[in-house]
Amino acid sequence: NAGVTQTPKFQVLKTGQSMTLQCAQDMNHNSMYWYRQDPGMGLRLIYYSASEGTTDKGEVPNGYNVSRLNKREFSLRLESAAPSQTSVYFCASSELSRPRHFGDGTRLSIL
Amino acid sequence: AQTVTQSQPEMSVQEAETVTLSCTYDTSESNYYLFWYKQPPSRQMILVIRQEAYKQQNATENRFSVNFQKAAKSFSLKISDSQLGDTAMYFCAFMKREQDSGGSNYKLTFGKGTLLTVNP
Repeated sequence: NAGVTQTPKFQVLKTGQSMTLQCAQDMNHNSMYWYRQDPGMGLRLIYYSASEGTTDKGEVPNGYNVSRLNKREFSLRLESAAPSQTSVYFCASSELSRPRHFGDGTRLSIL
Repeated sequence: AQTVTQSQPEMSVQEAETVTLSCTYDTSESNYYLFWYKQPPSRQMILVIRQEAYKQQNATENRFSVNFQKAAKSFSLKISDSQLGDTAMYFCAFMKREQDSGGSNYKLTFGKGTLLTVNP
């Protein structure tokens, strides 16, 4: 089925470890987004990419880096994981400026 | 798999009037949560209101209220006294607890959104 695919579905890290969350969409969308979901806070935008080759910071970019590898893929990297980054991460994509299609989420726990 | 359907891609309302956004979902679960998120042009996703499925009373947050019909699997959002700042994309979302090899987690599924425009 067409849509947004995130990997892995869940991950446990130790403080200080690094990892990359992968996201791919097969709808030929220009825009892609990374959000984190924390209890009582809704979804907060980490980074977004309006088109291939461009990335911009969202509300909570500190501690994260992103790469728009090509039109399909938008990865999120934690260089040195911290317990405060324990969250559920959502990738999304859209044709225009606002995300419409969400992945299933990646649950990340940092000990 | 759970599905969330928002049948109204776009809606408009006059300032100060009331508007209702529709959402239906499909699940075999009995215990779950439902949410409405507001997405303004800034791309934020702001939690507007939440409802626990085991609660019969409809949730209310100031001008926002829901009509939760569990048997019909319907979860509509009513916005009273609409304001220009209510103009946004609204997403309905369903969340249930899942068990997998990593333990238990809460899986969130979004609808496709309804673009609401409040006209002066």
